Amino acid sequence: DTEVTQTPKHLVMGMTNKKSLKCEQHMGHRAMYWYKQKAKKPPELMFVYSYEKLSINESVPSRFSPECPNSSLLNLHLHALQPEDSALYLCASSQSGPGQKTETQYFGPGTRLLVL
Amino acid sequence: AQSVTQPDIHITVSEGASLELRCNYSYGATPYLFWYVQSPGQGLQLLLKYFSGDTLVQGIKGFEAEFKRSQSSFNLRKPSVHWSDAAEYFCAVGAGGNLIFGKGTKLSVKP
Repeated sequence: DTEVTQTPKHLVMGMTNKKSLKCEQHMGHRAMYWYKQKAKKPPELMFVYSYEKLSINESVPSRFSPECPNSSLLNLHLHALQPEDSALYLCASSQSGPGQKTETQYFGPGTRLLVL
Repeated sequence: AQSVTQPDIHITVSEGASLELRCNYSYGATPYLFWYVQSPGQGLQLLLKYFSGDTLVQGIKGFEAEFKRSQSSFNLRKPSVHWSDAAEYFCAVGAGGNLIFGKGTKLSVKP
C-alpha cells in the first residue's frame, strides 16, 4: 500500500482566516514533505520532516506553519494568506528522508487552496 | 548545479500510436531518476524509477524508460497510447535526498 491521504480536497479561505491542511500515511515512512504547485508548474518543495523533526524549510513565509504530531501525520497551518498563495498543496512521504541517498517519494492527491 | 530539462512542453499523439517523452538531466554523481504522472487536479503518481542496474526500467501502465548515461537522458516510452494517458508528465532527479523536477510535458491524446 503506497497511499498518502490529504484533507480537505478543496479549501476556500479569506485572508484573515486560519485553517489547516492534513496529511496522513500508514506506510511506516519516517519522512514527510510539503510541496506547493502552481498551475502548469512543477511542485516546489516547502518543508521536510525527518523522524518528526523539521529538517528542511525552503525559506517559506511564516504564514505557513508545519507541524508533525507523529510519524504518520503532517499538518500545515495557514494564517493570513495572500491570494498568490492559491495553489495545489501536495504532501509526500518516503522511507527515511533526505540524506546521501534519494528515496522514492509517494504523493497524496493534494489540497486545492483558493485564497480570496 | 543539478537540473532536469524536458524539452517538449506539449505533445499530441493519436490513440494507439507510440510515445516518447524526453528528459535530460544534469547531475555530477550517479543519478536517481523518476517519472511521475499527474492527471488534472490530482497528485503525482510514480510511474517508474531508476536507481542502478538494468538501464531499461519497466513501470506501471505499460510505460518504460531507458537510462543513457552518455546522453544524460532518461526518456519515457510507451508502445501504444490510450486516451487515459492524457496527463502531465514530470521527470525528476534525486539530489541530496530531494527531488528536482523538470517543467513537465503535457500529453494530449487524439481519438
